Amino acid sequence: AQTVTQSQPEMSVQEAETVTLSCTYDTSESDYYLFWYKQPPSRQMILVIRQEAYKQQNATENRFSVNFQKAAKSFSLKISDSQLGDAAMYFCAVGNKLVFGAGTILRVKS
Amino acid sequence: DTGVSQDPRHKITKRGQNVTFRCDPISEHNRLYWYRQTLGQGPEFLTYFQNEAQLEKSRLLSDRFSAERPKGSFSTLEIQRTEQGDSAMYLCASSSSENTEAFFGQGTRLTVV
Repeated sequence: AQTVTQSQPEMSVQEAETVTLSCTYDTSESDYYLFWYKQPPSRQMILVIRQEAYKQQNATENRFSVNFQKAAKSFSLKISDSQLGDAAMYFCAVGNKLVFGAGTILRVKS
Repeated sequence: DTGVSQDPRHKITKRGQNVTFRCDPISEHNRLYWYRQTLGQGPEFLTYFQNEAQLEKSRLLSDRFSAERPKGSFSTLEIQRTEQGDSAMYLCASSSSENTEAFFGQGTRLTVV
C-alpha cells in the first residue's frame, strides 16, 4: 500500500522569496519514483519535478528543487524566487500507480 | 499530438442513471490512469492500465464502477446507478511507461442531481 501525506493545507510566500512544501510518504515498492505536480485553478495538472528513489542526488529543475530523505520517507519541494504564476495547488505523488497527497495551496503575494 | 482528451467535459445526470466517460491518451502511451477529484482534495486513485490490462482497481471503489481499455488505446469509465456522492471531477492521465511523467486531461465534471 502507498500513502502520501501533505501536512500543510495552505502556504503563502512573498514574491521573489523561497518557500518549501512538505511531503511524507509510505510505500512497499523497493524501486519507485516521486513526483510533484502543480494544478493551477481550473487548469490541468502538470509535472513540476521528478525524483528517482535510488538516486541520492536531489532533483533540480530551474527554480524548483527537492530535498529527498529516503530513510525518513520525506520529499519536500523548494521553490526559489517565487513568482505570481507559481500560485496553484501542489500535489506530491509516489509510485507506479501515482498515489497523490491531499495537496497544498500555494499563494504568492506581490 | 493534442494531449490527453476526455469526453464529455461536463455531465449532469439524474441519480440512478448510468454514465460513461471516455479518455483518449497520448498515442503510444502504454499507461493509463483514472482518478476522482473533489474540490480542494487530491486526486483519488481509481484504476490503471498497462496497454489493455487493468493492473489494479482501488479497493475503495464500488462495484458500480468499471473501466475498460479494450485495444490498449482509449479507455472508458462507467458508473452504474449513480449516486449524489459520485459527483466529482474524473481525471484521466497517460504515460509512456511506469515512473515516467503522466500527462493529464482536463477532466470530466460529473454532477448527479
